[in-house]
Amino acid sequence: QKEVEQDPGPLSVPEGAIVSLNCTYSNSAFQYFMWYRQYSRKGPELLMYTYSSGNKEDGRFTAQVDKSSKYISLFIRDSQPSDSATYLCAALDRGSTLGRLYFGRGTQLTVWP
Amino acid sequence: ETGVTQSPTHLIKTRGQQVTLRCSSQSGHNTVSWYQQALGQGPQFIFQYYREEENGRGNFPPRFSGLQFPNYSSELNVNALELDDSALYLCASSKGAYNEQFFGPGTRLTVL
Repeated sequence: QKEVEQDPGPLSVPEGAIVSLNCTYSNSAFQYFMWYRQYSRKGPELLMYTYSSGNKEDGRFTAQVDKSSKYISLFIRDSQPSDSATYLCAALDRGSTLGRLYFGRGTQLTVWP
Repeated sequence: ETGVTQSPTHLIKTRGQQVTLRCSSQSGHNTVSWYQQALGQGPQFIFQYYREEENGRGNFPPRFSGLQFPNYSSELNVNALELDDSALYLCASSKGAYNEQFFGPGTRLTVL
């Protein structure tokens, strides 16, 4: 079982839709959770960085962590064609001596006009 | 503030050759992590350097090695290249091992 699981999609939605992206993880020691956006053939760009359980909002993006179910989500409101990219979830165990990120395989999102 | 930069952008090598990839960390960052991203997959951790010392590595063989320099820039060296080494190699820098990691654009390596 991989440390972080993510449905690769693809996911295709019309402009203006609310998008929900999800991941599950298996390691209870994970404390920090991230969402990265990656455009084709580019490096990942950090979107959200959250600690433990709860919600964090930044503009049209909301990250949600439920540690009891080991479930992390990213919601995109009023989606735009420029949001079309691959979205990667990642987790970090700050209790270890190593700042290693564990990534899901990414969900490919297309927002059509 | 300059972000993370990597060179070269693309590289084509043949099986058995050696390659060196370079990364300049973001200003103020002392930690560099390297990841390998195969097509259609998430990045896989190779190793991390903190203040010029290897802080730990993932499940990669010893032919993957690295360095970090006093200015916190870093190199990834891969010896005896195999076809499966074809991937996007990503460098990420951070202030310390546990803080937000910011990625460079990557180096796309093709092994023929």
